[in-house]
Parts: sequence; structure tokens; C-alpha cells
Amino acid sequence: DADVTQTPRNRITKTGKRIMLECSQTKGHDRMYWYRQDPGLGLRLIYYSFDVKDINKGEISDGYSVSRQAQAKFSLSLESAIPNQTALYFCATRRDKDTEAFFGQGTRLTVV
Amino acid sequence: AQSVTQLDSQVPVFEEAPVELRCNYSSSVSVYLFWYVQYPNQGLQLLLKYLSGSTLVKGINGFEAEFNKSQTSFHLRKPSVHISDTAEYFCAVRPINAGNMLTFGGGTRLMVKP
Repeated sequence: DADVTQTPRNRITKTGKRIMLECSQTKGHDRMYWYRQDPGLGLRLIYYSFDVKDINKGEISDGYSVSRQAQAKFSLSLESAIPNQTALYFCATRRDKDTEAFFGQGTRLTVV
Repeated sequence: AQSVTQLDSQVPVFEEAPVELRCNYSSSVSVYLFWYVQYPNQGLQLLLKYLSGSTLVKGINGFEAEFNKSQTSFHLRKPSVHISDTAEYFCAVRPINAGNMLTFGGGTRLMVKP
């Protein structure tokens, strides 16, 4: 089983709909992250969390919100999806600032 | 702020040939440097990292990278590629004293041909 699991793996949704992407991890890490990947732009940080009470905006947080329900779970929500949010979304975890990040397999989201 | 430029969006190469994937960065502070690999339909995996010490860093699957501070580069190399190396490769930097902001380059798609 994967250490970092994202659900769903693929999703097509309509403009204006609310959608939630979920991430769970079995590594016991405190730090969790949400990135989006767009062709030619690499990965850009949306939100990150140090623990269940500590959530921070990344470089492109507009239009997104997150919830850290437990140490192992970090969800990303699009309250009202728009087509330019079509992208590949990755969740990642890290034990602390000096260790490597572990990534989920990604969620491909298409907003039509 | 940091930025990372991967100069080639795609690199086609024949099997068993050498390859170099280029990465340049800019930063006003000292950074750690990373290369990640993304195989089709998978997440990113750490290939190698430079934190300190020797500027030549060896990673998994026979890859290595050399940190050149004066040229602000961290190019990835492999002397002989395999079909299984076909993937997208991302260069990333992170400030030494700000542990959360990984900044990624746009990625280079390595396409190994038989």
C-alpha cells in the first residue's frame, strides 16, 4: 500500500461545483502539503500544514481551502470550481524541514 | 524569492546514450537542491539532493548531479540511459532556513528511444 494516498485519482466536475480532494498518510509525519502541477510550470504550493492546528497559505491559495482533520488526513477543497483549476494535484508529507518529501500518486482534476 | 529554470522541456535520447538535464536557479539566500523523478501515472520520487559537502551528488538509478555555485546550476547526468528512465524530471530548491518552500522548475521530459 502507498504511504501517501490520494482520492479520487481522477475527477471531472462542472464549473461552479464544490469538490474535495482527500489525502491520507501512514508515515506519521506532521507536515502535509498540497501542490498543483501544470505543464511547463512544475509544482506550485497551494497550502501546507505543520499539524492539525497549523495551516498556512502557499503561493497560489486563492480559490482553495483546506482542512486538517487529523495528523494523517489533509483535504483540499475547491468551493466553486473554475476551468483554470484543471490540473494535476499532489499531496505530500514530510517529517520535518530537513527531510525529504513523500508524494501521493496525484489527482487529475478536470473542470468543464 | 527563488526561481528554477529547466532549460529543456523535452530531451529525446537513444538507449545507452549519455544524458544531461539542465537546471539553473536564482536565489538571494543559500538553498538546498533536489532532483525528483515522476514516472507515468505516479507521484514524485526523490532522485538525489545536495545539502552540503561534495558538489558531486550521486542518486538512485545511476544518476548524479553537480552543484556549481558560481553558475547557479545543478545539472543532472547519467552516462548510459535505459528505456525505464523515461519519465519527467523536476529540479527544485529550498532555502536552507525556510524549510517549507520547495520551488520547482517546469520539468524536463526524458524520452528514451530503443
